[in-house]
Amino acid sequence: SQQGEEDPQALSIQEGENATMNCSYKTSINNLQWYRQNSGRGLVHLILIRSNEREKHSGRLRVTLDTSKKSSSLLITASRAADTASYFCATLYNFNKFYFGSGTKLNVKP
Amino acid sequence: NAGVTQTPKFRVLKTGQSMTLLCAQDMNHEYMYWYRQDPGMGLRLIHYSVGEGTTAKGEVPDGYNVSRLKKQNFLLGLESAAPSQTSVYFCASRTTGVQETQYFGPGTRLLVL
Repeated sequence: SQQGEEDPQALSIQEGENATMNCSYKTSINNLQWYRQNSGRGLVHLILIRSNEREKHSGRLRVTLDTSKKSSSLLITASRAADTASYFCATLYNFNKFYFGSGTKLNVKP
Repeated sequence: NAGVTQTPKFRVLKTGQSMTLLCAQDMNHEYMYWYRQDPGMGLRLIHYSVGEGTTAKGEVPDGYNVSRLKKQNFLLGLESAAPSQTSVYFCASRTTGVQETQYFGPGTRLLVL
């Protein structure tokens, strides 16, 4: 399988704390994207980082990419209860196909 | 704009029955995807299409067929449903170019008894 792994599988933090989740993948990629899924809903795109980029920011989100280690991390700063959701990384390869990680379930306690 | 819509939202099938899931997008996207999501897991790619009239296999294509006769629609068919196909099915479409992000539908929950 080309699917990557994410860790931790679950993360529980207090509101205001930072949340970090990691993603590993197996093949050369075109880009890596992070998505959020609220319970019972479809996925929503958060941020994209290209294979030639190392770090990217968007609001409270910071993504890093290390292609030599085939890994990425997503940092959510100053977490809010509304950030409670599952977070998935997805890698685009051959410019057509996406593979998703297994997801990190984040619980932010108010 | 409705974005990506999926019908039906929920369906119960008996083993051996057939059905078609419909995905429609109004964003003029070239690429469309069908995924399945099983409990506690990420999405797995079933089939995808890079344009009208084209289809290609993804990671888990067995037991499914697809068609893309019109650019805005992508149909997923189950010819003979099996309990192993109980899952939530998501459709997505995407842009090309600089921001290659996917837009997802709300999902179809399928239960095969």
